[in-house]
Amino acid sequence: NAGVTQTPKFQVLKTGQSMTLQCAQDMNHEYMSWYRQDPGMGLRLIHYSVGAGITDQGEVPNGYNVSRSTTEDFPLRLLSAAPSQTSVYFCASSYSIPSIMNTEAFFGQGTRLTVV
Amino acid sequence: AQSVTQLDSHVSVSEGTPVLLRCNYSSSYSPSLFWYVQHPNKGLQLLLKYTSAATLVKGINGFEAEFKKSETSFHLTKPSAHMSDAAEYFCVVTRGGMRFGAGTRLTVKP
Repeated sequence: NAGVTQTPKFQVLKTGQSMTLQCAQDMNHEYMSWYRQDPGMGLRLIHYSVGAGITDQGEVPNGYNVSRSTTEDFPLRLLSAAPSQTSVYFCASSYSIPSIMNTEAFFGQGTRLTVV
Repeated sequence: AQSVTQLDSHVSVSEGTPVLLRCNYSSSYSPSLFWYVQHPNKGLQLLLKYTSAATLVKGINGFEAEFKKSETSFHLTKPSAHMSDAAEYFCVVTRGGMRFGAGTRLTVKP
């Protein structure tokens, strides 16, 4: 059972480049989300999805797009990378919205992104 | 609105001594509260969660947290620290998505 798989683990981009961070889960979870982790700021929610075809913005959505065409996959797209997007990105999934039934979230190992 | 404040950015203890990591929350309704741990270069792992069934919550690796509504706190404790407890700890409150505290880095000295 792989859980939540993120790829790549490391990436260096030039300013203005685009890329997609991949996230896949094999637990049939409805809820998936993306976070960025910056020193001294904890994790901040970028976007989340409560099921296939449904996405919504979190705390820091600007500069990022998401889509949810299947239950398993929730890719995060950077359309035009900026140095301010240098961060560690985590994808998470859970059976339902975390505030319902106090559902545990499962996290991927993270993607360390540097934009130069 | 909801938010969570971790009162210490860094806590250092000696092995075998108690651990206290402090968390205060604000929420306009009964919150869902969690503690997660992140070991170096790893993802996050659930330590424990508040389910409203009991105010004292027991988690993995000997950690506990007590929900105190009157103090809006959810502090994490462990009676005796182990070297393997050295990590970053996050207090989390949820609505829709999870809202994380800034984190507390726990250092355990031999």
